[in-house]
Amino acid sequence: DQQVKQNSPSLSVQEGRISILNCDYTNSMFDYFLWYKKYPAEGPTFLISISSIKDKNEDGRFTVFLNKSAKHLSLHIVPSQPGDSAVYFCAASEGTSGSRLTFGEGTQLTVNP
Amino acid sequence: NAGVTQTPKFRVLKTGQSMTLLCAQDMNHEYMYWYRQDPGMGLRLIHYSVGEGTTAKGEVPDGYNVSRLKKQNFLLGLESAAPSQTSVYFCASSYLQGGPYGYTFGSGTRLTVV
Repeated sequence: DQQVKQNSPSLSVQEGRISILNCDYTNSMFDYFLWYKKYPAEGPTFLISISSIKDKNEDGRFTVFLNKSAKHLSLHIVPSQPGDSAVYFCAASEGTSGSRLTFGEGTQLTVNP
Repeated sequence: NAGVTQTPKFRVLKTGQSMTLLCAQDMNHEYMYWYRQDPGMGLRLIHYSVGEGTTAKGEVPDGYNVSRLKKQNFLLGLESAAPSQTSVYFCASSYLQGGPYGYTFGSGTRLTVV
């Protein structure tokens, strides 16, 4: 049972445009959501998170939106840069203890110069 | 600050051989994890530990064993390697199991079983 799903294995955008990565979840008890970025031959690194009491969190060029009624979150990158080319994983958890992060399958983002 | 260190970075094994992957963290984290990453499958949890001396099974534990004798180290063992265990293995550690701060990952071990 895949509780966190990223339905797009890949996404290609032009430099300077907006990148939108999507993630759906099925567990209504999830209350923390995170995005990780992974470059080849490196481990995933934390990018941005949001709690279920918010619907938006922004950090520089990165904004995460949460739609609890649709059980959907998205990561917006504006403007996209070639250095943003990486695999992006979304993850979710119930609370801070007793529940580990559940990861999606990942989306390969390619930003073309 | 080293964070999470994994050794080795690459390894080729023959079917049936054994090996141990080492993970060390210097952040005094209670929680540690072993994941494998395969194309299209995301990050799948193999085993995890909630503190020194504890281990527990994750989603895909078969064929692996783990030990956490010291708080800073988490070892993943393959007793008899199989080609299906060809993968990239990531160790991670965390202050909390869930929540907004997430996990710190190592740089990975690429294992090929022939």
